[in-house]
Parts: sequence; C-alpha cells; structure tokens
Amino acid sequence: GDSVTQMEGPVTLSEEACLTINCTYTATGYPSLFWYVQYPGEGLQLLLKATKADDKGSNKGFEATYRKETTSFHLEKGSVQVSDSAVYFCALSSYGGATNKLIFGTGTLLAVQP
Amino acid sequence: GAGVSQSPSNKVTEKGKDVELRCDPISGHTALYWYRQSLGQGLEFLIYFQGNSAPDKSGLPSDRFSAERTGGSVSTLTIQRTQQEDSAVYLCASSFPRGAGGPNSEQFFGPGTRLTVL
Repeated sequence: GDSVTQMEGPVTLSEEACLTINCTYTATGYPSLFWYVQYPGEGLQLLLKATKADDKGSNKGFEATYRKETTSFHLEKGSVQVSDSAVYFCALSSYGGATNKLIFGTGTLLAVQP
Repeated sequence: GAGVSQSPSNKVTEKGKDVELRCDPISGHTALYWYRQSLGQGLEFLIYFQGNSAPDKSGLPSDRFSAERTGGSVSTLTIQRTQQEDSAVYLCASSFPRGAGGPNSEQFFGPGTRLTVL
C-alpha cells in the first residue's frame, strides 16, 4: 500500500542554519504531496503542498519540490528561526481513489536554538 | 470564522468504559475525517464521511470503534470497552468535497481530543 518515509528526529539547529527534512513516498498512481506542521500545543496545519511532478510548494520560507523520479518531497528552508520549532509531517493523498485520506510519515521534531 | 472544533479536549477513562468524542467541522465542509495520533503508530486514518455517501471505515482498528455523522455536520466517534492501547490523540479534519478545491482539497484539522485509558 501507499506509504511515506521521513527522516527521524529530533533535528536540532541553531538559528539561521539551513534545514532539510527528507521525505520519500511509495504510491500507486499520482499522489498529491503535503507538508503539515504541528506547533507546540496547536493542531496540525498545512504548510505547503504540490499536486503533480516538478511542482514546487512554498510557504513561510519553506520549499519542497515534487520529484517523481526519486519519489521524494524533501522540505527545505534556507534560514530557520526559533519560531520554526515544531513537528513536521510529510503526507500523501492518492488521486483517483474514493477517499481523500492522508497517509502520514512519522513526523520529525525540529528544535531551533537561539 | 470558526475552525474545526473538538470536544472534550482531554478525556481520562477507565479500561472497559465507553467514550464519545465530538467533532464540529467548518461550516460548508461536506468531507469529514477522523485520524488517530499515537506514539507507537504515528498518524493513522480512521474513517471518512462525504455528504450522504456511505462512509469509508477502512481505517477503524476494531469493531469497538464506530462513528456517525448526523445531518451532514457534527460527527461523533465512539469507542466501546476502551483498552489501554486506545490511548492517543484523536484528530478530526474537514474539507470541501473532493474536486471542489482541486484534486485534493485541503484538510483543516481540529485541536484533537487526548484520550487516556487507565
């Protein structure tokens, strides 16, 4: 079945460091890909998405490019801030099925230190 | 401009008791999802409602779990004879119908109900 694999955390960075969180997927068909973020004490929020190959999703300085050839959707940010500290989830949703359910990776905790 | 709301925010129960968790989706969202977030299993899909269609129950882990959605709005997730392994955060999400916001309409999540089974 469809699945998402993302790098395990925690990832600890200093402010202004570069961030990459790896995400790869296995899916039949042509999934849409998402990054969700969960800030401490808050609910899941959509950070960015891409619906087809070579699309780049971006938001709040974060970017991820849908790479069909490597089945990847790595999350990147050039300069992280303390406020980016959160758990990040990579997810996919298969197009063509009856249910729009999301399949999530295990989540990566990011801790940014001042 | 309310988002998805869930109640209660926390629930502590004894093993063997039944619990009901409630979700109020965003007005106008006809699609509603339940997910479970637990330490051992991560985030898992449980059940999906879309309008008046039969729900997709493929993610429910056992027949102790059931859910209903009355009037196409509020949903209740019921867990009967709770077990310790049911302890988790139960998340509800809603979205516009599939296709209305593009091939995969964004799902908006509620804050969750933290269930602890003693």
